[in-house]
Amino acid sequence: KQEVTQIPAALSVPEGENLVLNCSFTDSAIYNLQWFRQDPGKGLTSLLLIQSSQREQTSGRLNASLDKSSGRSTLYIAASQPGDSATYLCAVRPAGSARQLTFGSGTQLTVLP
Amino acid sequence: SQTIHQWPATLVQPVGSPLSLECTVEGTSNPNLYWYRQAAGRGLQLLFYSVGIGQISSEVPQNLSASRPQDRQFILSSKKLLLSDSGFYLCACHFNTEAFFGQGTRLTVV
Repeated sequence: KQEVTQIPAALSVPEGENLVLNCSFTDSAIYNLQWFRQDPGKGLTSLLLIQSSQREQTSGRLNASLDKSSGRSTLYIAASQPGDSATYLCAVRPAGSARQLTFGSGTQLTVLP
Repeated sequence: SQTIHQWPATLVQPVGSPLSLECTVEGTSNPNLYWYRQAAGRGLQLLFYSVGIGQISSEVPQNLSASRPQDRQFILSSKKLLLSDSGFYLCACHFNTEAFFGQGTRLTVV
């Protein structure tokens, strides 16, 4: 059974810092991995989607990497801003016919002005 | 692009009352649709998914049920709510292997 772990559970940084959020998964047979952002009381917003054949994806100040063989992904946020404060979730989709995502519990990020 | 509408945004219901949460999708046809529940400080738990009209798969035994009466409509229901049904419910659509979410419904059972 796939398990997804996100470390740390919470992170507080001063504005302007570069930071890395970690996601690990136990079964490397994945189809893709997706990073989401969730603001308090809101739904999930898709940030980046990495297919299993890809090593990284970039969008603006965000860069996500994937090392499928070691079961790890990182989300790098450059020059953090207070508006980046949110919970960040990663989710993996299994290879094969199954369609369900398995989510981590998230990292709650606070960027201090 | 896909847009997912969920309503209501918040709901307070007494124990034993019925429940109906609705989700509709725009911008795609024949989507795979999902209901998740998110407990405080925890990840998302998949409750139901549907690959087509009238096709429902349940992931966990529970007090809830789901229905898909139309291609772009997914409904989460209960005949009698329990206190443990409180939580944040999210509807999702998978399109081209990417997942998109609605804004969620905060359900409090009192």
